[in-house]
Amino acid sequence: TQLLEQSPQFLSIQEGENLTVYCNSSSVFSSLQWYRQEPGEGPVLLVTVVTGGEVKKLKRLTFQFGDARKDSSLHITAAQPGDTGLYLCAGASGGGADGLTFGKGTHLIIQP
Amino acid sequence: NAGVTQTPKFQVLKTGQSMTLQCAQDMNHNSMYWYRQDPGMGLRLIYYSASEGTTDKGEVPNGYNVSRLNKREFSLRLESAAPSQTSVYFCASSESNRVQPQHFGDGTRLSIL
Repeated sequence: TQLLEQSPQFLSIQEGENLTVYCNSSSVFSSLQWYRQEPGEGPVLLVTVVTGGEVKKLKRLTFQFGDARKDSSLHITAAQPGDTGLYLCAGASGGGADGLTFGKGTHLIIQP
Repeated sequence: NAGVTQTPKFQVLKTGQSMTLQCAQDMNHNSMYWYRQDPGMGLRLIYYSASEGTTDKGEVPNGYNVSRLNKREFSLRLESAAPSQTSVYFCASSESNRVQPQHFGDGTRLSIL
């Protein structure tokens, strides 16, 4: 069974600060996705990273896939209250449609 | 666009009752999935359907059955509900049987008393 460990589980910071969320595994994934989930809603895809070492930017969010494709990070610059939510990483083993392996998530609160 | 629609949004059952959760997608996706989300556990895959006419077990299939009714619809059935099945259930779909972004519904919140 492939496992994805996310850290931290909870993070509360002030508006304007920077933060990094980590997603680690001992397994290799063919791709890794980051989702954001708001209360009462389903997860919404933010980004997919496929190549080892790949870096993708989405406005103030920077996503990186580790060289060995076992880990990933999400860095938010100058966090805003609108960034508040549950951030989930999810890995795909590749090949078939056997679903995604999700981390347990990081609950992020950005205080004004 | 509706995307992935789940019904009902909320349900309370008594232990031993049966129920079917419905899911429909309007994106012409081939693959569909059922997950459950529990506090501290993240999302766990219950069953998936790679394409119309096929279904396979995921990580936590015990106590559940599924039916891929057609390309649009994928239902999840609890034959004899147990308190351990209290959870939020999410249906998702993706374009093909290669890894694709998954599109999620807004969930069914199910309580088993």
